[in-house]
Amino acid sequence: DAGVTQSPTHLIKTRGQQVTLRCSPKSGHDTVSWYQQALGQGPQFIFQYYEEEERQRGNFPDRFSGHQFPNYSSELNVNALLLGDSALYLCASSLFGDTGELFFGEGSRLTVL
Amino acid sequence: AQSVTQLDSHVSVSEGTPVLLRCNYSSSYSPSLFWYVQHPNKGLQLLLKYTSAATLVKGINGFEAEFKKSETSFHLTKPSAHMSDAAEYFCVVSRLSGGYNKLIFGAGTRLAVHP
Repeated sequence: DAGVTQSPTHLIKTRGQQVTLRCSPKSGHDTVSWYQQALGQGPQFIFQYYEEEERQRGNFPDRFSGHQFPNYSSELNVNALLLGDSALYLCASSLFGDTGELFFGEGSRLTVL
Repeated sequence: AQSVTQLDSHVSVSEGTPVLLRCNYSSSYSPSLFWYVQHPNKGLQLLLKYTSAATLVKGINGFEAEFKKSETSFHLTKPSAHMSDAAEYFCVVSRLSGGYNKLIFGAGTRLAVHP
């Protein structure tokens, strides 16, 4: 049973560019959440998708957007990259309404130069 | 609003000695609480979770945590540290709103284990 998979694992961009990160949830899960983990900090909630719609959003600017596809996979897009966007981006999947754990992928490490 | 505070950013222990990682939480209602572990260059793995059942929760790899409402604490313990326990540990509170589960992480505690 495949867990949460993310791609790419590492990438380097320059300021002003755009990036797309991808996530496939754990089999049977229908909800995808994205978190940003800056170096030395705990993960911060970006947003959550269910039924192809953004359902919750954290304190992130509109430069951060996402999408969920009918197969429950998801993308995170970041426009007009800033140096401060350098971080590990984690995708987590769960089942709608479940108060239990979220299953995390290993993340995509983004470096903005 | 929910929040968690991890009281130590770094903890260092010797192999075979007890581990204590401290966490205080703030929640306007009965919370769901978790401990996650993150090994270098790895994703987050659930150690244990509290969801209003038994206050003493047992997790994987010999870890356990006790929910103390009067102290608003959820400290993580292990009787005997192993070298493989060296990692970053996060105390997490869950906010469930309209069926959507959002996790709020503490800043993390880095555990070092020395021979």
